[in-house]
Amino acid sequence: NAGVTQTPKFRILKIGQSMTLQCTQDMNHNYMYWYRQDPGMGLKLIYYSVGAGITDKGEVPNGYNVSRSTTEDFPLRLELAAPSQTSVYFCASQVGGAVDTQYFGPGTRLTVL
Amino acid sequence: DQQVKQNSPSLSVQEGRISILNCDYTNSMFDYFLWYKKYPAEGPTFLISISSIKDKNEDGRFTVFLNKSAKHLSLHIVPSQPGDSAVYFCAASYSGAGSYQLTFGKGTKLSVIP
Repeated sequence: NAGVTQTPKFRILKIGQSMTLQCTQDMNHNYMYWYRQDPGMGLKLIYYSVGAGITDKGEVPNGYNVSRSTTEDFPLRLELAAPSQTSVYFCASQVGGAVDTQYFGPGTRLTVL
Repeated sequence: DQQVKQNSPSLSVQEGRISILNCDYTNSMFDYFLWYKKYPAEGPTFLISISSIKDKNEDGRFTVFLNKSAKHLSLHIVPSQPGDSAVYFCAASYSGAGSYQLTFGKGTKLSVIP
């Protein structure tokens, strides 16, 4: 049982490039989330999903897209990378409405130059 | 506008003493509060939570107190241990949203000195 896994761990992008951050969970959780954490700040919600085929915007969705075709996977897509997207990205999953079961992955550190 | 505030960026405590981390919130809709612990290069891990219908919840060395009228909660760690050195995030949620999304504070870095 690996929990929540994220790839890659680190990535450097040039302005305007695109990439997909991968997130997979093996706990059969319906709810999944993407957060970003800027230096010295708390985590901010980008997108979330309450089940396969259902996604919705969080607090800071601009510049990102998501899809949820399976229960296990919740990839985050950056289409045109900008320096403002330099951050650490965390994926999380949760059992239904039990917020204290929100498990986080180890994060992806992204730098846009 | 920050809905969850942790006004102390850092805190240093001697091993064996009490650590008190504070958190304030502004949104009256929040009905569930959590503390997360985060080590460098790792994701946050759940520590302890409290529902708005309670004013205290205890789990071993960790106790969370909630003062709804003041919109304030605190995490007490007794006794503090060097392994408790980490960044602690306060988070809040409201069940009416349906998404159970969390709103986080900026975190407090706790250093426990041996």
